[in-house]
Amino acid sequence: EVQLVESGGGLVKPGGSLRLSCAASGFTFSSYSMNWVRQAPGKGLEWVSSISSSSSYIYYADSVKGRFTISRDNAKNSLYLQMNSLRAEDTAVYYCARDANNWDVWGKGTTVTVSS
Amino acid sequence: DIQMTQSPSTLSASVGDRVTITCRASQSISSWLAWYQQKPGKAPKLLIYKASSLESGVPSRFSGSGSGTEFTLTISSLQPDDFATYYCQQYNTPLRTFGQGTKVEIK
Repeated sequence: EVQLVESGGGLVKPGGSLRLSCAASGFTFSSYSMNWVRQAPGKGLEWVSSISSSSSYIYYADSVKGRFTISRDNAKNSLYLQMNSLRAEDTAVYYCARDANNWDVWGKGTTVTVSS
Repeated sequence: DIQMTQSPSTLSASVGDRVTITCRASQSISSWLAWYQQKPGKAPKLLIYKASSLESGVPSRFSGSGSGTEFTLTISSLQPDDFATYYCQQYNTPLRTFGQGTKVEIK
């Protein structure tokens, strides 16, 4: 079964850091670009970051550039999002999604809450 | 960045109604547009890709059309399972952007 499972969310204070993980199974992870998307409570979807299959190309939304770092380990079938200098407005459910140009496989999400 | 604008933001409809949602891009995106359905507490689900291609397993009552800057998602006969929020997304550029969403509510 093709599956993505996020982990690493939690409660963190403003200015703190968190590392999210996304474990992939059921497909050849190294063949696909991957993405992080977030959804603040009661709000719409916001693209956060993308990484190509070999990590050659990496992109960030302006709202997280300089604070978040996307990476992947194809040997471990895993995608990561290192989040530093977290702000209250980063509070959201974070999803990883497979990129076959269209995003056909999504995880169930992990919740990040930034609050003092 | 390419801005995506959906209309309406909320739509009230009855079972059996034909429903149309519009998505406009701030510049041409050719046909690089996808539509997603999201239900509360769940991840988005891909419905349509490349503006008009139906994702495998998605009911044929869903259809997409358009190119350039204007796109539509049509549900030919609304079913109880279709009450949800719908998002368009452009993938013409690496900096992907979503529309703000259209919530389809029961009338």
